Amino acid sequence: DADVTQTPRNRITKTGKRIMLECSQTKGHDRMYWYRQDPGLGLRLIYYSFDVKDINKGEISDGYSVSRQAQAKFSLSLESAIPNQTALYFCATSDLGGQSDGTQYFGPGTRLTVL
Amino acid sequence: AQSVTQLGSHVSVSEGALVLLRCNYSSSVPPYLFWYVQYPNQGLQLLLKYTSAATLVKGINGFEAEFKKSETSFHLTKPSAHMSDAAEYFCAVSGGTDSWGKFQFGAGTQVVVTP
Repeated sequence: DADVTQTPRNRITKTGKRIMLECSQTKGHDRMYWYRQDPGLGLRLIYYSFDVKDINKGEISDGYSVSRQAQAKFSLSLESAIPNQTALYFCATSDLGGQSDGTQYFGPGTRLTVL
Repeated sequence: AQSVTQLGSHVSVSEGALVLLRCNYSSSVPPYLFWYVQYPNQGLQLLLKYTSAATLVKGINGFEAEFKKSETSFHLTKPSAHMSDAAEYFCAVSGGTDSWGKFQFGAGTQVVVTP
């Protein structure tokens, strides 16, 4: 079974709809991240969480919100989707431990299309 | 602040030829550096990482990279390309107390392998 799972894997929605993307992990990591990938731009950080009570904005948080329901779950919401939020979204996790080098482990991605 | 520049958004190599993907970084502190590979319709998979140990790092699938502080580079190489190496490759940098655990990704390099 995959260590980092994302649901749904694909979603098509309409402008103005509320959308939630979910991420779950079984790696026992404290840190979780949401990125979006656009062609030619690489991955850009939307939000990150270093523990359940810690939520931080990334470089492109406008139009997004997150919820860290538990150590293993981190959800990304688009309150009112717009077409330029069409992208591939990735969740990632990393360890906080003293021996950790911060390696991030990625889920398979969610392809979101906003019409 | 930290940043990553990947030279060349697309690279075409012949099967059996050298693969060279360039990555330059800027960081105010000694960085941790990573290369990830993304196969079509998949998430990012860690290829290799530099975390202040040996400057020549060996990874999976025959890839290696050398950290050169004087050149602020972390180029990825593979002596002989295989058709299965066709994918997108991302360089990432992490480091510093103000950015520990946060990655800055390059824009990615798409590798095409021709017979």
